[in-house]
Amino acid sequence: DIVLTQSPASLAVSLGQRATISCRASESVDSYGNSFIHWYQQKPGQPPKLLIYRASNLESGIPARFSGSGSRTDFTLTINPVEADDVATYYCQQSNEDPWTFGGGTKLEIK
Amino acid sequence: QVQLQQPGAELVRPGASVKLSCKASGYTFTSYWMNWVKQRPEQGLEWIGRIDPYDSETHYNQKFKDKAILTVDKSSSTAYMQLSSLTSEDSAVYYCARSNSMITTSWFAYWGQGTLVTVSA
Repeated sequence: DIVLTQSPASLAVSLGQRATISCRASESVDSYGNSFIHWYQQKPGQPPKLLIYRASNLESGIPARFSGSGSRTDFTLTINPVEADDVATYYCQQSNEDPWTFGGGTKLEIK
Repeated sequence: QVQLQQPGAELVRPGASVKLSCKASGYTFTSYWMNWVKQRPEQGLEWIGRIDPYDSETHYNQKFKDKAILTVDKSSSTAYMQLSSLTSEDSAVYYCARSNSMITTSWFAYWGQGTLVTVSA
């Protein structure tokens, strides 16, 4: 199985500053010229919500403050600038290979 | 708009089985994979498997192969997941989540609100 390791496990960022979350895969998640890493936001008591698909594509309706980058095994989710509504846990997920797997999550708090 | 409706909670006895439902609306049910995802309290997400509602082709995470059975009822646009031989380790929120397409490299575009399964005597 492809293991996704997210770091840090938690981070506190001041309003208006940048938050950077890393997702490292145990093997490449690239195929057909695409990186099959996707990012989700989950707030307490709610289901996850898709933010970014295929590493860098912003889902419709998601603010441009969110961006994704990376390839092969190293990926990053950036939130800039951070707003109070961004307090949540963020997960990466790969669909390059069955079984689809998730990272362990990164909890974002406001400093 | 796409909606996935799930019951809020189920209480089941240890050793018993439970069948969870996910009623889809707002799109053509047979055109997208339906997935199931497990989330234990304060823990991360685990993909259980996916089903093609058109022909009931299934793909399971090997970890759940003896635990979960995925089915669909096309006439009611409802997906089901049966969980068997329940233990405390199965207490969790179970989400249904629709893929964005029928390709195997798709992602979870829409999620239900989840069903909280509590296994307790």
